[in-house]
Amino acid sequence: GDSVTQMEGPVTLSEEAFLTINCTYTATGYPSLFWYVQYPGEGLQLLLKATKADDKGSNKGFEATYRKETTSFHLEKGSVQVSDSAVYFCALRLVDSNYQLIWGAGTKLIIKP
Amino acid sequence: DGGITQSPKYLFRKEGQNVTLSCEQNLNHDAMYWYRQDPGQGLRLIYYSQIVNDFQKGDIAEGYSVSREKKESFPLTVTSAQKNPTAFYLCASSKTVIYGYTFGSGTRLTVV
Repeated sequence: GDSVTQMEGPVTLSEEAFLTINCTYTATGYPSLFWYVQYPGEGLQLLLKATKADDKGSNKGFEATYRKETTSFHLEKGSVQVSDSAVYFCALRLVDSNYQLIWGAGTKLIIKP
Repeated sequence: DGGITQSPKYLFRKEGQNVTLSCEQNLNHDAMYWYRQDPGQGLRLIYYSQIVNDFQKGDIAEGYSVSREKKESFPLTVTSAQKNPTAFYLCASSKTVIYGYTFGSGTRLTVV
């Protein structure tokens, strides 16, 4: 079935380090792909999205490229800040999915000053 | 500004009680969802609704009930049949397939 796999956390980095959070997917159709961020005690916020192969989503210094050949949508940021500490969720959505998102398990990111 | 509002932010339930969590959106979104999140865990779908007066069970619907009498509202009732209801509950809405979800800020339910 359709699924999303994220790298396990927590991921701990120092401030200004380069970030990669891996996300790969399995889907029978042509999904749209999303990254969401959840800060402690809050709901989820859409961080970025891509709707077709080779699209690059970007927001707040974060980027992710929709790679159909490797079925991946890895999240990257060149220089992380303490304020980026949060849980990051990768998700996919298929055209015939009755609007449902399929979620990864989430990756907790901890940035140390 | 449009958005999705969950209330209350914190809720305490005695054993054997039913409680209702509110979710209201003014985004004119067709679909609405309820998720449960346990500490350090991902999201699990409880119920979802694509149109008024229609809803479907998600992966963990047992012990929960919903209604969708208005497009803007999708309340969740946690019944006494739910044996372990302590969790963070998230409501979300969505308009079309190419967009993601908009989430509320969540309700933290604790059994006392």
